[in-house]
Amino acid sequence: AQSVTQLDSQVPVFEEAPVELRCNYSSSVSVYLFWYVQYPNQGLQLLLKYLSGSTLVKGINGFEAEFNKSQTSFHLRKPSVHISDTAEYFCAVRRGETSGSRLTFGEGTQLTVNP
Amino acid sequence: EAQVTQNPRYLITVTGKKLTVTCSQNMNHEYMSWYRQDPGLGLRQIYYSMNVEVTDKGDVPEGYKVSRKEKRNFPLILESPSPNQTSLYFCASSSPSRGNTEAFFGQGTRLTVV
Repeated sequence: AQSVTQLDSQVPVFEEAPVELRCNYSSSVSVYLFWYVQYPNQGLQLLLKYLSGSTLVKGINGFEAEFNKSQTSFHLRKPSVHISDTAEYFCAVRRGETSGSRLTFGEGTQLTVNP
Repeated sequence: EAQVTQNPRYLITVTGKKLTVTCSQNMNHEYMSWYRQDPGLGLRQIYYSMNVEVTDKGDVPEGYKVSRKEKRNFPLILESPSPNQTSLYFCASSSPSRGNTEAFFGQGTRLTVV
């Protein structure tokens, strides 16, 4: 079985400050890792994904994440946030095989960027 | 435009009155899933389908039914809704032929059962 833990339910930051949203996962097999963003009253939009290769993954809107296999983590970072980054962020994992479509999500982290 | 379309976006109903939430995708994806989103719990998978006429339970299937008669449609059926099914529901689709990559999500259906 796989599980995902987002270590912070709420992260308040000031505009232009750096931010890190933490995600740990557990799985007995190789996994694909994702970060999704949900703006108010909208569906989920993919920010970035790790499938294989370089452990540093760059996504949209200036976000990046680093896959750390030894620490089973996939933390999301942005060096300078904007008010428009205020949203809920979800880390998700999918088992590294082609059968099945199960995405396991973390509990979500509400990022609030204050002026 | 590639998209997953859910209807309705908002629904208020009474306990026990059967309802269906529709989901349609135009990307010819094999995989489709239903999730519910609750505060502090993230998204939990209800049912998924790997192809036409192939469905299976997710993590929280109790009280729900699904069908997959056509590739593009994957309706979620609540035969006898109860207040604990008040939630935000998302449909998603993806394709294994694209290397098991991202899932595309609908805009969500906010269901209230009174």
